[in-house]
Amino acid sequence: AQKVTQAQTEISVVEKEDVTLDCVYETRDTTYYLFWYKQPPSGELVFLIRRNSFDEQNEISGRYSWNFQKSTSSFNFTITASQVVDSAVYFCALMGGYNFNKFYFGSGTKLNVKP
Amino acid sequence: DAMVIQNPRYQVTQFGKPVTLSCSQTLNHNVMYWYQQKSSQAPKLLFHYYDKDFNNEADTPDNFQSRRPNTSFCFLDIRSPGLGDAAMYLCATSRGGTVSQETQYFGPGTRLLVL
Repeated sequence: AQKVTQAQTEISVVEKEDVTLDCVYETRDTTYYLFWYKQPPSGELVFLIRRNSFDEQNEISGRYSWNFQKSTSSFNFTITASQVVDSAVYFCALMGGYNFNKFYFGSGTKLNVKP
Repeated sequence: DAMVIQNPRYQVTQFGKPVTLSCSQTLNHNVMYWYQQKSSQAPKLLFHYYDKDFNNEADTPDNFQSRRPNTSFCFLDIRSPGLGDAAMYLCATSRGGTVSQETQYFGPGTRLLVL
């Protein structure tokens, strides 16, 4: 079974604080792919990152960083020095290695960044 | 430049009156998806087209139909909208090539209101 859990329903931080969004996944596939999407109030899901299961290197892109740990089945997302524009709902998603037209989304984490 | 375009952005229809939502893409992707997203929930896949091949999710109601007349366009038809069909409808595309490069790109969504 494929499943993604985002236990944090909503997080509120003050601007410039660092914040980490948690994502835990379940899969029996040996090859799989993990994604993060941002959904601002306008509604569009914006692709942020894709990570392959065989690549456990962490990634940094500006203020964004991702920590992938197969040992704990987690793919956490950290925003450093958060800004008001980071306010959005963030979704973590899993795609299996064999059914690559099926995304399994977590329930999302709403991030509120206050000035 | 918009790559996945959805029209209209907002649609109001009456209970039981058929409605069509449209999606177009400039990415020349093989796969197009329709998702339904209700408030504070994750997107739910309704169906997808891999080229001309239609793939329906098992739990998608018969009330929802889709057409893909060519590579660029895909339509979502709701034959008899009910109040429970009020939601954001998201269109997405993916290349449909090698699994390791597969990523879904979303349009801005159409918010449907049923009166």
